[in-house]
Amino acid sequence: NAGVTQTPKFQVLKTGQSMTLQCAQDMNHNSMYWYRQDPGMGLRLIYYSASEGTTDKGEVPNGYNVSRLNKREFSLRLESAAPSQTSVYFCASSTSWTGGDIQYFGAGTRLSVL
Amino acid sequence: GENVEQHPSTLSVQEGDSAVIKCTYSDSASNYFPWYKQELGKRPQLIIDIRSNVGEKKDQRIAVTLNKTAKHFSLHITETQPEDSAVYFCAAKRGGGADGLTFGKGTHLIIQP
Repeated sequence: NAGVTQTPKFQVLKTGQSMTLQCAQDMNHNSMYWYRQDPGMGLRLIYYSASEGTTDKGEVPNGYNVSRLNKREFSLRLESAAPSQTSVYFCASSTSWTGGDIQYFGAGTRLSVL
Repeated sequence: GENVEQHPSTLSVQEGDSAVIKCTYSDSASNYFPWYKQELGKRPQLIIDIRSNVGEKKDQRIAVTLNKTAKHFSLHITETQPEDSAVYFCAAKRGGGADGLTFGKGTHLIIQP
């Protein structure tokens, strides 16, 4: 039982390049999330998916796209990377039941855009 | 949308003393308030959470209190130990849906030997 798995762990891109961050969970969770973490800013929600087939924008969606491929997998795509997207990206999943949920995080992807 | 303010940004305490971190939130519909601990280079990990129908919750040396009227909640760590050194984040969300968490900006807790 691996929990939430993210790949890659590290990535360096040049401005304008594209890439996809992968996330998979094996806890049979319905909901999945992408956050970015910048120094002094806490974690900010980029996109989320309440269930397979649905996605919604979070606080900072500009410059990103997502795909909920199936119940297990939720990918984040940068079509044309910019230096402002240099950050640590965390994927999370939760059961999302009424009254609150517990979110479990992956180990993160450290992305540098030069 | 929700806004979560967290104070202080840095907290230094002597080993064995207590530490208190405070957060306020803006959305009266928020009813789930978790606290995460993040060690350097690691993922955030849930240490305790509280729901709006409860005023206080304890788990060994860690406790969280919630004041819904004032829209603030606090993390209390007693008998601090060196392994408590980390960054702590509070967060808030509405229950009953898949909305993501809104996080505070974090508190760097330093335990002085």
